[in-house]
Amino acid sequence: NAGVTQTPKFQVLKTGQSMTLQCAQDMNHNSMYWYRQDPGMGLRLIYYSASEGTTDKGEVPNGYNVSRLNKREFSLRLESAAPSQTSVYFCASSERGGGVSNQPQHFGDGTRLSIL
Amino acid sequence: GIQVEQSPPDLILQEGANSTLRCNFSDSVNNLQWFHQNPWGQLINLFYIPSGTKQNGRLSATTVATERYSLLYISSSQTTDSGVYFCAVADSSASKIIFGSGTRLSIRP
Repeated sequence: NAGVTQTPKFQVLKTGQSMTLQCAQDMNHNSMYWYRQDPGMGLRLIYYSASEGTTDKGEVPNGYNVSRLNKREFSLRLESAAPSQTSVYFCASSERGGGVSNQPQHFGDGTRLSIL
Repeated sequence: GIQVEQSPPDLILQEGANSTLRCNFSDSVNNLQWFHQNPWGQLINLFYIPSGTKQNGRLSATTVATERYSLLYISSSQTTDSGVYFCAVADSSASKIIFGSGTRLSIRP
């Protein structure tokens, strides 16, 4: 009964380093999403994948790339980390595509990322 | 783009009290969801409610899409209800999801 699993849970990087955040869901959902949450704010959509094989930009895509590896997995990559990317990153999934979401979203527990 | 405003920003209540949280949005929306972020940072989907009323135990939600608002009701509050409540909407083209800035609810024992 895992739902949406994100790894790692915590990470500290130096400016300019690269890393990939992993996300996997076991609910057979079509759509997956990456958000960032900054202190005292709501979530902002970085990228989403309405279905396997497709990805689209969200509200704040600059500095990120994504890969929808298969139906279960959706990864987020920071090619050259910057302090402005310090945030908590959430992955989510929902049952059906057709745009960003016409179904309830289910979230992972988040990855806390600090860029020094 | 769509603006999503939540009120109040902060709410402190005694255990057992009832509360109403409001979400206003500036344009037609494709869907609306309510989430609870607990003190450990976990996000739980409470309701998917583009219109109408739904109830789940002590929580209920009503969305009046024609008047561009949604309400979340919490009855007989418990300390475990503490956290931040977010509403999130998708615009009519379903191309973006916009989160409100949240209502921080603190329930005192």
